[in-house]
Amino acid sequence: AQKVTQAQTEISVVEKEDVTLDCVYETRDTTYYLFWYKQPPSGELVFLIRRNSFDEQNEISGRYSWNFQKSTSSFNFTITASQVVDSAVYFCALSEAIRGSQGNLIFGKGTKLSVKP
Amino acid sequence: GAGVSQSPSNKVTEKGKDVELRCDPISGHTALYWYRQSLGQGLEFLIYFQGNSAPDKSGLPSDRFSAERTGGSVSTLTIQRTQQEDSAVYLCASSKHPGQGEETQYFGPGTRLLVL
Repeated sequence: AQKVTQAQTEISVVEKEDVTLDCVYETRDTTYYLFWYKQPPSGELVFLIRRNSFDEQNEISGRYSWNFQKSTSSFNFTITASQVVDSAVYFCALSEAIRGSQGNLIFGKGTKLSVKP
Repeated sequence: GAGVSQSPSNKVTEKGKDVELRCDPISGHTALYWYRQSLGQGLEFLIYFQGNSAPDKSGLPSDRFSAERTGGSVSTLTIQRTQQEDSAVYLCASSKHPGQGEETQYFGPGTRLLVL
């Protein structure tokens, strides 16, 4: 069975601190996709990144970076020099490669990040 | 460009009434998904459409829930005889071509349903 675990329920940091959000996943598939979404107080889920299981290269996008390690089944997300606008709930999600016609997302419980000025 | 839209944004109904929630996916997206977000259960998958057919209804919590999609575009999620435990935010997402490297799902703003 697939599962996504975000062990950190809430994190509070002060602006400009770096913060890492952890994500551990379980799947028996060899081909799968991992995602991070941001849900600000407005409620809409905003797509941040997608990674497929064959691409373990880490990615950096501005202040955001992602560390994908298959050996530990982890896909962690780091925000460098956090800002108040980063305050949101962040969800890690997994989808298996399409078999027939699947592909629904399995979400972690989310990590609520509060960045204080 | 237009994203996924959902209506209504909020719905308050009385227990036992039927409700219909609507989703307009991004133009050209063949796949459409419904999810539910509630405090106790987090984000749960409900149903998936590829075109107008629903090959995966495994997430629908009971037979009071149904969904359809017409013209490969708009989808309606119907909840019959609503119960208080149906209160949640219902989210719709769409993606281009799952299975062809286009798996990213883009979400709408959701419909917040409150059953009194």
